[in-house]
Amino acid sequence: DQQVKQNSPSLSVQEGRISILNCDYTNSMFDYFLWYKKYPAEGPTFLISISSIKDKNEDGRFTVFLNKSAKHLSLHIVPSQPGDSAVYFCAASITGTASKLTFGTGTRLQVTL
Amino acid sequence: GAVVSQHPSWVICKSGTSVKIECRSLDFQATTMFWYRQFPKQSLMLMATSNEGSKATYEQGVEKDKFLINHASLTLSTLTVTSAHPEDSSFYICSARYTGRFYGYTFGSGTRLTVV
Repeated sequence: DQQVKQNSPSLSVQEGRISILNCDYTNSMFDYFLWYKKYPAEGPTFLISISSIKDKNEDGRFTVFLNKSAKHLSLHIVPSQPGDSAVYFCAASITGTASKLTFGTGTRLQVTL
Repeated sequence: GAVVSQHPSWVICKSGTSVKIECRSLDFQATTMFWYRQFPKQSLMLMATSNEGSKATYEQGVEKDKFLINHASLTLSTLTVTSAHPEDSSFYICSARYTGRFYGYTFGSGTRLTVV
């Protein structure tokens, strides 16, 4: 039962354009969402997070949007840079003292010149 | 801040032997650590949640006796793959939960295990 899904396994975007990565979840108990960037043979690197009490959070080139009614979140990267090429995972958790992360399936972003 | 160090970064072992992977929180105390496994081109699958001073909580389908987890201090958790077999070859990643203004999760750099 995949509670967090990223339906696009890959995405190619031109340098300077906007990259939009999508994520859907099924568990309505999730109240904290995170995006991670990952290179092969490395651990994930935290990018940005959002609490369910918000619908938008910005940090530099990265913006995360949350639509609770649709159980959908998206990560916008503007402008996209070649160094952004990596696999992006969204993750969700239920706030608590030992809350664990549930990861999405990942989207491989390729930013082309 | 909130750095997790994971060692070794890669290890090759023979079938039937055991391998220990260490995960240390360097600049914070981690009461809870998590162990993940990632197969090529797949997502990170949570194996177990490690709580300092108590038994780990394993996810469904993960063999407790095969993947021994010890979290004896607030800065160290270890995963021991016992009697390793080639199908245990994978990328293992640890994570620790940190709290502050917000809470978050920081990850180790991962361990590539190859069992031959």
